[in-house]
Amino acid sequence: KQEVTQIPAALSVPEGENLVLNCSFTDSAIYNLQWFRQDPGKGLTSLLLIQSSQREQTSGRLNASLDKSSGRSTLYIAASQPGDSATYLCAVASGSRLTFGEGTQLTVNP
Amino acid sequence: GAVVSQHPSWVICKSGTSVKIECRSLDFQATTMFWYRQFPKQSLMLMATSNEGSKATYEQGVEKDKFLINHASLTLSTLTVTSAHPEDSSFYICSATEADSLGYTQYFGPGTRLTVL
Repeated sequence: KQEVTQIPAALSVPEGENLVLNCSFTDSAIYNLQWFRQDPGKGLTSLLLIQSSQREQTSGRLNASLDKSSGRSTLYIAASQPGDSATYLCAVASGSRLTFGEGTQLTVNP
Repeated sequence: GAVVSQHPSWVICKSGTSVKIECRSLDFQATTMFWYRQFPKQSLMLMATSNEGSKATYEQGVEKDKFLINHASLTLSTLTVTSAHPEDSSFYICSATEADSLGYTQYFGPGTRLTVL
């Protein structure tokens, strides 16, 4: 059974800092890994999707890496802004099934 | 891009009543749809997987007689919470899967907030 863990559970940083969110998974037989953002009381916004054959994906200030053999992914956020405050969820796809981590609650202070 | 809608976005009901939530894929045909539940400050937990025209597959611990799922077409799945109780209050999110050349991509609806009084 796939298990996904995210560290840290919560993170508070001053505006402008670069930061890294971590995600680990137990079964390396995955199709892809996806990072989502969730604002309070809202649905999911897909940020980045990395296919199992890829090592990283970039979108603006976001960069996600994937090391399938070690079961790890990181989400790097550059020059953080207060608008980045949200919960970030990592999800691993095994076939058509997604397994979510518990999320990292990020607060960026002005 | 692929869009999934949910209706209603929020609902308040009395204990003992039934509530139906719709999930639609607007611009693609979904081979599979998923229903998730999310309690406050927790992650998404998969409730069931449904394929068009067949019975849903429920996760362990999810009561299939309480959470009725119907997937009558390739663009519509419904979740009915029967005889709802306050402990069923939660955020319900659906997703729809479109098969592509690299596997499967899930597209998520905006969620439905259910409050049972």
